[in-house]
Amino acid sequence: DVKVTQSSRYLVKRTGEKVFLECVQDMDHENMFWYRQDPGLGLRLIYFSYDVKMKEKGDIPEGYSVSREKKERFSLILESASTNQTSMYLCASSSRHPSGELFFGEGSRLTVL
Amino acid sequence: AQTVTQSQPEMSVQEAETVTLSCTYDTSESDYYLFWYKQPPSRQMILVIRQEAYKQQNATENRFSVNFQKAAKSFSLKISDSQLGDAAMYFCAYKNSGYALNFGKGTSLLVTP
Repeated sequence: DVKVTQSSRYLVKRTGEKVFLECVQDMDHENMFWYRQDPGLGLRLIYFSYDVKMKEKGDIPEGYSVSREKKERFSLILESASTNQTSMYLCASSSRHPSGELFFGEGSRLTVL
Repeated sequence: AQTVTQSQPEMSVQEAETVTLSCTYDTSESDYYLFWYKQPPSRQMILVIRQEAYKQQNATENRFSVNFQKAAKSFSLKISDSQLGDAAMYFCAYKNSGYALNFGKGTSLLVTP
């Protein structure tokens, strides 16, 4: 069964802490994405990567950075967590095919106190 | 960025009945893809159905079908013979030749016995 695995389902962090969210896919997909999901706002794209070491800003990159050192792994980093970053974070991957179906992980629910 | 609008934050349907979820989008492009994703409570997002804009025939997957009106930029999802397991958030999404999908804000579907 193909999988996108997010390292933590639930995290609680304090304001100012550095937070790492890890995502691994086993489908040899070129593209990987980080979305943020908030009630009433849907999914908003934070960053994506189309190749190892390549990254592109999405719609809401402020306060976040990413790392993709290996094809299968895409990390989201909050350098200094703030309460307005409390949210559900969804990782996804896709192949280079134009139809670009996304495969999602189960999500990481982050609470920043 | 292209916008995707889901005008129904919540919908309700009785088991075995049919329900239609609405989605409109804004684009100036002629080639693109449209998707409906389902997110059950506390579970990961999965693809329900996909439509290529160049195809005139509406996509169908078992009890799920779409009404794709390209000129009107409308992409509604019809769920026939609704089941309790259909209860979920449903997201409409748009993709052009780029990498990422743009999502609507979602419709919460309640299925009542």
